[in-house]
Amino acid sequence: EPEVTQTPSHQVTQMGQEVILRCVPISNHLYFYWYRQILGQKVEFLVSFYNNEISEKSEIFDDQFSVERPDGSNFTLKIRSTKLEDSAMYFCASSGALLPRGLYNEQFFGPGTRLTVL
Amino acid sequence: AQSVTQPDIHITVSEGASLELRCNYSYGATPYLFWYVQSPGQGLQLLLKYFSGDTLVQGIKGFEAEFKRSQSSFNLRKPSVHWSDAAEYFCAVDDTGGFKTIFGAGTRLFVKA
Repeated sequence: EPEVTQTPSHQVTQMGQEVILRCVPISNHLYFYWYRQILGQKVEFLVSFYNNEISEKSEIFDDQFSVERPDGSNFTLKIRSTKLEDSAMYFCASSGALLPRGLYNEQFFGPGTRLTVL
Repeated sequence: AQSVTQPDIHITVSEGASLELRCNYSYGATPYLFWYVQSPGQGLQLLLKYFSGDTLVQGIKGFEAEFKRSQSSFNLRKPSVHWSDAAEYFCAVDDTGGFKTIFGAGTRLFVKA
């Protein structure tokens, strides 16, 4: 069964360093997402991406964040200068083509990357 | 403002007992509604979803949920809980047609023998 994969599973970095989190969405999906979950808290939407553009982003997704689909298979989240409060689990998700209401295609989540900022 | 509320931070039930997890949302129209489960250290697994039609939806692992428009609720139920159901449960909504899913704070389920 196709699945979303994420690498690495755990990333440790120093405050101020840049990190890139990688995701391989399900191959025929067109919509891609990043969410984060600070330990013990709820899952928070960061950004959605379609047709090489950001579709929606939250207030969390400020200028230090960026997303990219550098090739036909990967979807990345870059954090330019990490802060302690960026420590969280980051989930990638993907979904297929959006259809008329009632035929919504669900988002499939990856296993997450745990980012620890020291 | 749009919001999803799960009023119970944690719930403890005995194995074999019934379960109901509450979820209320605040949106102008009927959004897409979801329940996800997260086991410790794991990703999110979709239990069930509601888009339209029959307000009682069946999901995986014996779970069901009922959409009540008048109460803006989408409560998750299971008639008989198993120890393996112990996990965190998240209610989620999407009113953007698939571009943004908003999660509730989650309810942690403990199952006692």
